[in-house]
Amino acid sequence: EPEVTQTPSHQVTQMGQEVILRCVPISNHLYFYWYRQILGQKVEFLVSFYNNEISEKSEIFDDQFSVERPDGSNFTLKIRSTKLEDSAMYFCATKTGGPDGAKNIQYFGAGTRLSVL
Amino acid sequence: AQKITQTQPGMFVQEKEAVTLDCTYDTSDQSYGLFWYKQPSSGEMIFLIYQGSYDEQNATEGRYSLNFQKARKSANLVISASQLGDSAMYFCAMRDAPYNTDKLIFGTGTRLQVFP
Repeated sequence: EPEVTQTPSHQVTQMGQEVILRCVPISNHLYFYWYRQILGQKVEFLVSFYNNEISEKSEIFDDQFSVERPDGSNFTLKIRSTKLEDSAMYFCATKTGGPDGAKNIQYFGAGTRLSVL
Repeated sequence: AQKITQTQPGMFVQEKEAVTLDCTYDTSDQSYGLFWYKQPSSGEMIFLIYQGSYDEQNATEGRYSLNFQKARKSANLVISASQLGDSAMYFCAMRDAPYNTDKLIFGTGTRLQVFP
C-alpha cells in the first residue's frame, strides 16, 4: 500500500540552527500539508500546499517557516532559525483531492520528531 | 469557528468487547467531513474512517464504525471486538469547505487502553 514517507524520523538541533524536514508524498497526490504536535497536545495545522504554492497557513507558520517542492517529488518544510518551542512531532500529509469525499482523505506520514536544544 | 471536542481523556476496555469513543463538533457549514485517526505509541497517524456530512449511511471499515448523528453534531467511533493492538490515542478531526480551505481540525484525543 502506498505511503507517505518522512525523513528523518528524529532530528536533534541546536537553537538558532536551520532544519529541513522532508516528505515524499504518495505518487498521485496533489495536495500537501504540514501539521505539528507538541508532546501531549493535539495536532495543529501549519500549512497547505497545492499547485506549487501555499493555499493556506496558520498563525504558527510565521516567517521562520517555508515550504517547497523543489524537484517535483520531495515536499519540504524548512525552519530557518529554530527555537526551543519548535520542538514537536511534525507530520506531512497528502491527498489526491477532488470533490469525491474519499479523495479528500489526508494520509499522514510517520512524522519527524524535532528536538531543539 | 470550527471545533472538535473529545471529552474522554482516557478509556479502558476489555479485549473482545466493544468501545465507543465520543466526538462532538461545531460548524456552521453544511458540507464537511469527519475523520478518525489512530496514533499508536510509535507516533504515526493512521487513518481509520471517514464520514461525509451528506452521507446517509454510517461509515464502516472492518471493526470500526462511525455513529454519525448530524442533528446532535456527534461522530462517535465504535470499535467492535477490541484487540490489544487497539491500545493507542484516537483523534477525531473535521474538515469543512472541501473546495477551498481543507485543513483538518483535531480534537484533543482519547487514550484507549485494551486489557486482557
